[in-house]
Amino acid sequence: TQLLEQSPQFLSIQEGENLTVYCNSSSVFSSLQWYRQEPGEGPVLLVTVVTGGEVKKLKRLTFQFGDARKDSSLHITAAQPGDTGLYLCAGRSGGTSYGKLTFGQGTILTVHP
Amino acid sequence: DTAVSQTPKYLVTQMGNDKSIKCEQNLGHDTMYWYKQDSKKFLKIMFSYNNKELIINETVPNRFSPKSPDKAHLNLHINSLELGDSAVYFCASSQDVVVEQYFGPGTRLTVT
Repeated sequence: TQLLEQSPQFLSIQEGENLTVYCNSSSVFSSLQWYRQEPGEGPVLLVTVVTGGEVKKLKRLTFQFGDARKDSSLHITAAQPGDTGLYLCAGRSGGTSYGKLTFGQGTILTVHP
Repeated sequence: DTAVSQTPKYLVTQMGNDKSIKCEQNLGHDTMYWYKQDSKKFLKIMFSYNNKELIINETVPNRFSPKSPDKAHLNLHINSLELGDSAVYFCASSQDVVVEQYFGPGTRLTVT
């Protein structure tokens, strides 16, 4: 069974601070996705990283895929209250489980004004 | 227009009852999924259908039975509900098994 360890589980910061969320596994994934979920809604895809070492930027969010495709990080610069939500990483496996997404436990981010 | 819709939004029922959750997507996608999110926000795949065929069937009690009458619909029927079935159930769809998944708003099931 492939597992994704996501940390920290909870993060409470002030507006303007920077933060990093980590997603680690002992397994190799063909790709890794980051989702954001708001209360009462389903997760919404933020980004997909595919190549080892890949870095993608989405405004103040920077996503990185580890060289070995076993880990990823999400860095938010100058966090804003609107960034508050549940952040989920999800790895896609291949082989007989082709297409299956394995989710991390999630990081609940609260940004205080 | 809602891309992936689920009904009902909330479902409160007693142990031992049988209930169904319906899901519809109007995106023209080939693949649909059911996920369970527990109280700790952990999201886990339960089933996946591609063109009405079951392709992923995780270790889920056989009290849970998905049914896909057509590519746009994937329903979840649960027999003999138990307290541990309480969770938020999400339906999702994607064009193919390897691209972005679009999630519905979730159905919060509470078993008393």
